[in-house]
Amino acid sequence: DADVTQTPRNRITKTGKRIMLECSQTKGHDRMYWYRQDPGLGLRLIYYSFDVKDINKGEISDGYSVSRQAQAKFSLSLESAIPNQTALYFCATSDLSDNEQFFGPGTRLTVL
Amino acid sequence: SQQGEEDPQALSIQEGENATMNCSYKTSINNLQWYRQNSGRGLVHLILIRSNEREKHSGRLRVTLDTSKKSSSLLITASRAADTASYFCATILGNTPLVFGKGTRLSVIA
Repeated sequence: DADVTQTPRNRITKTGKRIMLECSQTKGHDRMYWYRQDPGLGLRLIYYSFDVKDINKGEISDGYSVSRQAQAKFSLSLESAIPNQTALYFCATSDLSDNEQFFGPGTRLTVL
Repeated sequence: SQQGEEDPQALSIQEGENATMNCSYKTSINNLQWYRQNSGRGLVHLILIRSNEREKHSGRLRVTLDTSKKSSSLLITASRAADTASYFCATILGNTPLVFGKGTRLSVIA
């Protein structure tokens, strides 16, 4: 079984809808991250959490919110989706901030 | 804004040749990491080099780091078609999360 899982893997939705992307990990890591990837722009950090009680904004947090329900779960919400949020979204985990990150398979989100 | 910038943006080589990708960054770092991404999939960690290291090897991978020039290079020797992927460098300083570059797309032609 995969160490970092994301659901759903693909989602098509309409402008204005609320969307939640979920991430679960079995690696026992305290640190979790949400990234967005757009063609030609690499990965940009949306939010990150160093433990259950810690939430931090990343480079592009506007229009997004997160919830760290447990050590193993970190959810990303789009309160009112807009077309320019169409992208590939990745969740990642690490045990320490300077160690390697482990990525989930990604969620491809399309907002019409 | 992104810290690292990979060069070239795209690289196409024949199988068996070596592939070299470069990464430049802007600020001091604790370490620099290289990741690989197959099309549309999650990134996979390849190698980490710390700021006090100059060179590191892992299998067919060789990474160098020049902190005076704020640059790193990733060399893949004897490339294979399966090495076709995008390669990203990522840097970290202190307790802040990794900052990724935009990546180099490598195509290895059989």
